[in-house]
Amino acid sequence: GDSVTQMEGPVTLSEEAFLTINCTYTATGYPSLFWYVQYPGEGLQLLLKATKADDKGSNKGFEATYRKETTSFHLEKGSVQVSDSAVYFCACGATNKLIFGTGTLLAVQP
Amino acid sequence: NAGVTQTPKFQVLKTGQSMTLQCAQDMNHEYMSWYRQDPGMGLRLIHYSVGAGITDQGEVPNGYNVSRSTTEDFPLRLLSAAPSQTSVYFCASSEQAPRAPLHFGNGTRLTVT
Repeated sequence: GDSVTQMEGPVTLSEEAFLTINCTYTATGYPSLFWYVQYPGEGLQLLLKATKADDKGSNKGFEATYRKETTSFHLEKGSVQVSDSAVYFCACGATNKLIFGTGTLLAVQP
Repeated sequence: NAGVTQTPKFQVLKTGQSMTLQCAQDMNHEYMSWYRQDPGMGLRLIHYSVGAGITDQGEVPNGYNVSRSTTEDFPLRLLSAAPSQTSVYFCASSEQAPRAPLHFGNGTRLTVT
């Protein structure tokens, strides 16, 4: 079945550092790919998405590129802020199901 | 705009009790789903529905029932609660999952003792 693997956390960075969170997927066909973010005590919010190969999703300084050849959708940000501290989930949508990774906790220190 | 509303926010049950977690959305979304979130496990899909009268199983359906009599509502029923069902439950809806994004409620934290 479909699955998503993302790097385990926690990831601890200093403010203004570069962020990469790795995500790879297994799915049949041509899934859509998403990154969601969860702040403490809240539900998940969509951060960005890409629906076909080579698409780049971007939002709030975060970017991820749909790489079909490596089945990857890595999340990057050039300069993180304390307010980016949250749990980040990679997700893969194929058929009628959206499958999530286990989440990566990001802690940004001032 | 309320979006996706889940009730209750918190619930404590004893083993063997039953209850229904409520979920309602006001966006006229056809697709609705239930997930559970556990530490180290991420979000796992319990059940989903692609429209009124249509439901299907996700990754972890055992111990849970759902029905979809209206577009707006998608309740999740626990018939006989077990400690393994202690979790945070999220309801989510979408115009057309999986290609359209999911809109999540704020969750229900359930403890089964």
